[in-house]
Amino acid sequence: QLQLQESGPGLVKPSETLSLTCTVSGGSISSSSYYWGWIRQPPGKGLEWIGSIYYSGSTYYNPSLKSRVTISVDTSKNQFSLKLSSVTAADTAVYYCARFRRGGVGDAFDIWGQGTMVTVSS
Amino acid sequence: DIQMTQSPSSVSASVGDRVTITCRASQGISSWLAWYQQKPGKAPKLLIYAASSLQSGVPSRFSGSGSGTDFTLTISSLQPEDFATYYCQQANSFPLLTFGGGTKVEIK
Repeated sequence: QLQLQESGPGLVKPSETLSLTCTVSGGSISSSSYYWGWIRQPPGKGLEWIGSIYYSGSTYYNPSLKSRVTISVDTSKNQFSLKLSSVTAADTAVYYCARFRRGGVGDAFDIWGQGTMVTVSS
Repeated sequence: DIQMTQSPSSVSASVGDRVTITCRASQGISSWLAWYQQKPGKAPKLLIYAASSLQSGVPSRFSGSGSGTDFTLTISSLQPEDFATYYCQQANSFPLLTFGGGTKVEIK
């Protein structure tokens, strides 16, 4: 079955760029029915949608983060990636990648990665 | 932006209790609402989509209702494995998505 796995540094210095990759296995990232998203969760807090991408490369970002976020896709590697620039301690969180199914069955994040903790600290 | 407000923020209940969680949208979202369950240290799990449709494999004690701005998630008979935090999420403004603040279901 389809699985998602986040990877990337667990520690990032303030003002630097956070970079994470999500590898999709057991299925194709190029399916027309799905979008691919990043969601984060600061320690002890709720979920925040960061942004999403379609396999064609179309991107959609949370307006509150838009100026600092870049999401990209590499269909040849079945991966999509997140870059968040100029990070501060407020960006410390567990970062999840997830599949968003669109249309037909019902719009929702139906498959999630296990999450990866990223700490912003010098 | 569509804001999603959940209430209560936490609820204490006993095994066997009926538990109801509410999610209110700042504007009408038709039935574009999903519910997720998250246990400590784990990724969220999809329970309900399209406001009232049960995701495959989810026990029937979970149900969702509502449309427009007001939605509810009901657990008909709380089981030990249901103690978790629950989140709603709107998809009316897709591709822009918003989660509610969460409701923690605790053991009484």
